Amino acid sequence: DAGVIQSPRHEVTEMGQEVTLRCKPISGHDYLFWYRQTMMRGLELLIYFNNNVPIDDSGMPEDRFSAKMPNASFSTLKIQPSEPRDSAVYFCASSRGSYNEQFFGPGTRLTVL
Amino acid sequence: AQTVTQSQPEMSVQEAETVTLSCTYDTSESDYYLFWYKQPPSRQMILVIRQEAYKQQNATENRFSVNFQKAAKSFSLKISDSQLGDAAMYFCAYRSAGATNKLIFGTGTLLAVQP
Repeated sequence: DAGVIQSPRHEVTEMGQEVTLRCKPISGHDYLFWYRQTMMRGLELLIYFNNNVPIDDSGMPEDRFSAKMPNASFSTLKIQPSEPRDSAVYFCASSRGSYNEQFFGPGTRLTVL
Repeated sequence: AQTVTQSQPEMSVQEAETVTLSCTYDTSESDYYLFWYKQPPSRQMILVIRQEAYKQQNATENRFSVNFQKAAKSFSLKISDSQLGDAAMYFCAYRSAGATNKLIFGTGTLLAVQP
């Protein structure tokens, strides 16, 4: 079975540009999570969905960040406008049920110049 | 709010030896889950081992085992017979057993394995 798929793997953009990160969870998983990893803050949960509905977005840093899950097999995390401090590795993870293991994707390394 | 602390930023072990990584956490909850994740240079986060707080028996997975001390809020990871492939960043994580599905991570311990 394919794992969690994220695209792109690397993204370099300039400050002020819109960035869209994509995630395809494992088929049959009903929970989807977006995490951000930085040297300063470590790994932090941004938002998570259950059955395509956002449940907790308290980790989203500011209004420039938005996430959607239009269907069970696709989610996006958008940053508009991007800033250099958004440079990080963004992970998507999915799980079947709330008590089971979260499987992580390979991450997207975002660099904002 | 729950917090997870890993006090060892870096550790080193000789191949075939045993190493223990430390993790402490703070919570007022009685029911929760604890995890150790491995992040090799490929960046992929891989679950190493999981412990349910209600279980007194320490979890084991092949060469990996934990020492779970609920009263002390301590959750250390022991790697036996260390292999070169064990070199990675290791993260301790906490998750409430309640409605929230958040994983709260520690800052990580970078493990080097010397041949």
